[in-house]
Amino acid sequence: KNQVEQSPQSLIILEGKNCTLQCNYTVSPFSNLRWYKQDTGRGPVSLTIMTFSENTKSNGRYTATLDADTKQSSLHITASQLSDSASYICVVSAGFSGGYNKLIFGAGTRLAVHP
Amino acid sequence: DGGITQSPKYLFRKEGQNVTLSCEQNLNHDAMYWYRQDPGQGLRLIYYSQIVNDFQKGDIAEGYSVSREKKESFPLTVTSAQKNPTAFYLCASSTVGQPQHFGDGTRLSIL
Repeated sequence: KNQVEQSPQSLIILEGKNCTLQCNYTVSPFSNLRWYKQDTGRGPVSLTIMTFSENTKSNGRYTATLDADTKQSSLHITASQLSDSASYICVVSAGFSGGYNKLIFGAGTRLAVHP
Repeated sequence: DGGITQSPKYLFRKEGQNVTLSCEQNLNHDAMYWYRQDPGQGLRLIYYSQIVNDFQKGDIAEGYSVSREKKESFPLTVTSAQKNPTAFYLCASSTVGQPQHFGDGTRLSIL
């Protein structure tokens, strides 16, 4: 069964600190892995996308890593800001099947950054 | 400014009533999608459309219907057959090789 599991479910950190969010997946076939940021009451916004051959990708203070052998990904946030408070969703693409690019969504990690 | 517009932001449904959620995009994307988001769960696919006048069921299509008469529009109807419609509904669109681009959602509640 295709699954994406994220940990922790929620996290509280102080402004300026770093944090790392985890994503484990059992998706086959694997096409790519994406991280999205979702502010409360808004739609998800893409942060990074990595294919099988990429093991790291950065977007400003966000750095995603991918270990395709262990089927794990992490999202590292550096020097957190209050605006980083959001849910972070890991999404794995199972490739083009049945006429569309099937995505498996994790339940997300809810991050709260406190002053 | 290109994007996806979902309306209304909040919607209330009475028992036995059908309601329609609007989704419009000006990104010129061929593919459009409807997802349902419940607390503590990942997004689940309701319907998707790869091209005008064609659409396919996703993982949880029962109690929902869609149409795709125009490239820009992909409305979702939540029918009275959907017994647990309270959720946050997200519309997305995409083009080949690019991540899906999401709207800001419609929150549906039952009166």
